[in-house]
Amino acid sequence: GAVVSQHPSRVICKSGTSVKIECRSLDFQATTMFWYRQFPKQSLMLMATSNEGSKATYEQGVEKDKFLINHASLTLSTLTVTSAHPEDSSFYICSAPPGVNRNEAFFGQGTRLTVV
Amino acid sequence: AQTVTQSQPEMSVQEAETVTLSCTYDTSENNYYLFWYKQPPSRQMILVIRQEAYKQQNATENRFSVNFQKAAKSFSLKISDSQLGDTAMYFCAFMKHWRIQGAQKLVFGQGTRLTINP
Repeated sequence: GAVVSQHPSRVICKSGTSVKIECRSLDFQATTMFWYRQFPKQSLMLMATSNEGSKATYEQGVEKDKFLINHASLTLSTLTVTSAHPEDSSFYICSAPPGVNRNEAFFGQGTRLTVV
Repeated sequence: AQTVTQSQPEMSVQEAETVTLSCTYDTSENNYYLFWYKQPPSRQMILVIRQEAYKQQNATENRFSVNFQKAAKSFSLKISDSQLGDTAMYFCAFMKHWRIQGAQKLVFGQGTRLTINP
């Protein structure tokens, strides 16, 4: 079946540095990728939508300059957390929505980001 | 905007018992999907069951079944013969009909933490 591979699974970085998270669709093409954020014991909240060949769209309240999204190809979407601060520590998950030949959304394994 | 509400933050049952998780939603859409996802401690999201709104018949997947009440905007999940491996967070989710409206996001409920006790 369709697989979305997300890396890294866990990252610890220093305050002020940037971290890049990658999501790859391994056996299908994804023109759209959704990026969610999940705080401990809470639900998934949509941060932004990446679209291949066009600018990402951000949900209200999400800083586009802090969370840079690039959809470089039909199989790769990246989220870069710039100038990370401890409050950016969270669990980030990407998801490819249903499309041709796939009737369900597929999720990456998630990335646990800790900013120290 | 669509909203999804899960009113049970935590539930706990004994192994082999049946448990029902509640979910209500609000939408003005007529064509949509509803889902239950399981998130075990690994935090990988796993699809449990899917219901298409236009289908009146309730979806079933082995020990998992739903009670879909479209008029009441209710979508509960029943787990029969519960197993220790069912211990996880369960999220109810809504999605507009993607075949009609293009790529759609999932809107999640707050989640229910289910514990199956031996």
